[in-house]
Amino acid sequence: AQTVTQSQPEMSVQEAETVTLSCTYDTSESDYYLFWYKQPPSRQMILVIRQEAYKQQNATENRFSVNFQKAAKSFSLKISDSQLGDAAMYFCAYRGPGGSRLTFGEGTQLTVNP
Amino acid sequence: DVKVTQSSRYLVKRTGEKVFLECVQDMDHENMFWYRQDPGLGLRLIYFSYDVKMKEKGDIPEGYSVSREKKERFSLILESASTNQTSMYLCASSRGLRGEQYFGPGTRLTVT
Repeated sequence: AQTVTQSQPEMSVQEAETVTLSCTYDTSESDYYLFWYKQPPSRQMILVIRQEAYKQQNATENRFSVNFQKAAKSFSLKISDSQLGDAAMYFCAYRGPGGSRLTFGEGTQLTVNP
Repeated sequence: DVKVTQSSRYLVKRTGEKVFLECVQDMDHENMFWYRQDPGLGLRLIYFSYDVKMKEKGDIPEGYSVSREKKERFSLILESASTNQTSMYLCASSRGLRGEQYFGPGTRLTVT
């Protein structure tokens, strides 16, 4: 079974600084998708960024980018120029090739200090 | 905009009660999902459905059942609520095999 691990329960960053959230996963598949979701205090889960495993290029969405290391099964999220609105719980998730279900990591609570 | 709604934001029930959590999506998505979210455990899949009247067990189906009589509605049922089912419950929907999952706002259920 696939597993997703986020080893940092909590992280903090100063406003305008850069922070990296870690995620590792385990799978025997070669074709899969990886996601980062954000859950602010409102509890609404929001998709931040997605990465397709067959693409070597790291995905980027404005201030959010990933470092996808397929051989190491690592998928970290980098947030540049952190803003107060980035404070949230962040979840890493995996989706295999054969279906639509997601497997989530434990989550990382990010605090942004002014 | 995709909208996934859940019937309650907060719910308090007594041990042994039958509990219904309702989820409705307005984008004609085939797939619907129920997760529970607990601190330190992330989101865990309870059940999902890829079509009307179809259901598949997720990773933690014990103590739960589901119903999908209409495409837009997916219900989670706790036949006899127990205190260990106190949790946050999130519903999601998606289109096809590759579609992004869209989440509802969650229901925080407390069983006393």
